[in-house]
Amino acid sequence: DTAVSQTPKYLVTQMGNDKSIKCEQNLGHDTMYWYKQDSKKFLKIMFSYNNKELIINETVPNRFSPKSPDKAHLNLHINSLELGDSAVYFCASSPSGGVGTEAFFGQGTRLTVV
Amino acid sequence: RKEVEQDPGPFNVPEGATVAFNCTYSNSASQSFFWYRQDCRKEPKLLMSVYSSGNEDGRFTAQLNRASQYISLLIRDSKLSDSATYLCVVGSYIPTFGRGTSLIVHP
Repeated sequence: DTAVSQTPKYLVTQMGNDKSIKCEQNLGHDTMYWYKQDSKKFLKIMFSYNNKELIINETVPNRFSPKSPDKAHLNLHINSLELGDSAVYFCASSPSGGVGTEAFFGQGTRLTVV
Repeated sequence: RKEVEQDPGPFNVPEGATVAFNCTYSNSASQSFFWYRQDCRKEPKLLMSVYSSGNEDGRFTAQLNRASQYISLLIRDSKLSDSATYLCVVGSYIPTFGRGTSLIVHP
C-alpha cells in the first residue's frame, strides 16, 4: 500500500498547456503539501493545506492552483505552462500540530515543459 | 540569510570512513529538526529526527545545538549504500528543507 501516491509520475507537455497532478494519502493525516524541486535539487514549499483549508501559499504564480476536495487529496492544477515550470513536484503529508512529526512524500511527478 | 543552510558538498569518502554534515537554521523558535535522505530520482525519506539531547541510530548520530542554531549528522563506518543526498529539515508544521549535502562513498 502506497502511503502517499501521485499521478502521473512523468508528464511531458508543451508550453501554454494546462495540466493537473493528483495526490492522495491513505495515512489519515490532516496536513498536505506541495513542494517543487528544481534542477539544483532545492526543495521549496509551494502550498500547505490543513483539513482542506489553505494555510500556506508561498510566492507561487497564480497559474498554480491547488484544490483539496477532502483531506486525503490535494491536487495541483497548472495553467499556461512555461519552460521554467519544468521540475519535480512532490506531494507530502503529515499529522498536524505535533512537534517532531515527520512528513511523508509521494514519489514525485517529473514535469517537462517543451 | 537562507532559512536552512547546508554545505552542498559533494563529500567523497572511502568505505569505512566517518563523515559529518552540519546545517544551520535561522528561526530560533524552531522546535522540530530532522535529517532526510534522498536517493537519485527518488523522494526524500526520513532518516532520523533530531532531539535536544542528541540521538543515535546504529551508525548515525544526530546532534542539536540550539544556542548556535545548528544540527549535525555523523555517519560512522560509511557504506557504499550511504551514497545519497542528506537533507536538513527544520519545522514540522511547515517543513523547511536545506539544499542538501551530497555524499559519495567509494570502494
